Amino acid sequence: QITLKETGPTLVKPTQTLTLTCTFSGFSLSTSGVGVGWIRQPPGKALEWLALIYWANDKRYSPSLKSRLTITHDTSKNEVTLTLTNMDPVDTATYYCAHSEPSSGWFFDYWGQGTLVTVSS
Amino acid sequence: DIQMTQSPSSMSASAGDRVTITCRASQGISSWLAWYQQKPGKAPKLLIYGASILQSGVPSRFSGSGSGTDFTLTISSLQPEDFATYYCQQAASFPRTFGQGTKVEIK
Repeated sequence: QITLKETGPTLVKPTQTLTLTCTFSGFSLSTSGVGVGWIRQPPGKALEWLALIYWANDKRYSPSLKSRLTITHDTSKNEVTLTLTNMDPVDTATYYCAHSEPSSGWFFDYWGQGTLVTVSS
Repeated sequence: DIQMTQSPSSMSASAGDRVTITCRASQGISSWLAWYQQKPGKAPKLLIYGASILQSGVPSRFSGSGSGTDFTLTISSLQPEDFATYYCQQAASFPRTFGQGTKVEIK
């Protein structure tokens, strides 16, 4: 079955760079149509889409965060990494990675449990 | 960016009630719309995609309709486990965008 899990620091200081890893199983990011996305949710607020990487290494970013975001896939491992530079307290949120594929309309059908990242000095 | 606007933002309902949540896109998105359910402290769960296609394993009391700019999620008979926050999301174009959420609370 498909599973995803986010790992990374729980606390970062302002101006630091956040690096999160999504480790997945049950699917291959080399399969046509498959993608892994990142979505975040500040405490008590709505979901915000951040980035998505597809099987062909096609990468898409939120325009409002594009200058700070990088998404990569380690092809030797089942891992997708998200980096967000110049962290600010407003970036405090639970960060989720999620699976996407054509059979579910390219929507996010499997999600990780999420990881809460707090930005504070 | 395509803006997704949900209404209402919150509502109170009783078990057994028929509940309707609407989502409006700022421009036409055909049927590129999904609905998610999120419970406190949990990841969102995909309920419906393609505006009206029920995700595998989702109870049939959930249904979706609409196309273009106006969409609806209906819960035919609200169950205790359905009290949650519901989000719509469009996948017609990048960036993907979510609605602000509709919290369904117990009356």
